[in-house]
Amino acid sequence: DGGITQSPKYLFRKEGQNVTLSCEQNLNHDAMYWYRQDPGQGLRLIYYSQIVNDFQKGDIAEGYSVSREKKESFPLTVTSAQKNPTAFYLCASSKLAGGKETQYFGPGTRLLVL
Amino acid sequence: KNQVEQSPQSLIILEGKNCTLQCNYTVSPFSNLRWYKQDTGRGPVSLTIMTFSENTKSNGRYTATLDADTKQSSLHITASQLSDSASYICVVSAQQAGTALIFGKGTTLSVSS
Repeated sequence: DGGITQSPKYLFRKEGQNVTLSCEQNLNHDAMYWYRQDPGQGLRLIYYSQIVNDFQKGDIAEGYSVSREKKESFPLTVTSAQKNPTAFYLCASSKLAGGKETQYFGPGTRLLVL
Repeated sequence: KNQVEQSPQSLIILEGKNCTLQCNYTVSPFSNLRWYKQDTGRGPVSLTIMTFSENTKSNGRYTATLDADTKQSSLHITASQLSDSASYICVVSAQQAGTALIFGKGTTLSVSS
């Protein structure tokens, strides 16, 4: 998992509640990413950030929000607008953005709906 | 449409045996291909990365091959161990702006004693 931490490991959300997933990296990477993983499906990109104070929507950004106020941190908020939030969420980082860079993944957060 | 297809979906082998996992892609223009190993409930870990000009890349008992003409890759695991039980994900990168990574659904490998 090398230098990327995610917390909590498990998170429970009630109906209508916003929850925030934490992602921190000490690799001095510029780029950070959030993915969602569902059973039997490939990873899908939610948001990514190439630099502090800048981020772009991925393929499935609806119902999610992010911020990038510090280089080391890229928290993801799952809002009440996300109607099917139960999934395994993975944060990743790379030295620079772009397909040539290897992405390093955190250990993941499993979000469950009560 | 850029796609990555992996086969088989799942595989069970005995400890000590070899196995080969397949990855076919339709990503264009191609930049590189990676194989990741993901243990259950953990984040993926990179095993190999190959660019257009590379045909093979090894990492211990893992050997990846790439045929850029047929757009196929394979991951060969030699003398499997119980710790090889995991999901193996093929990821192809396109030469374009943004993250440009296309993930396969993975092959779940179970190694039994």
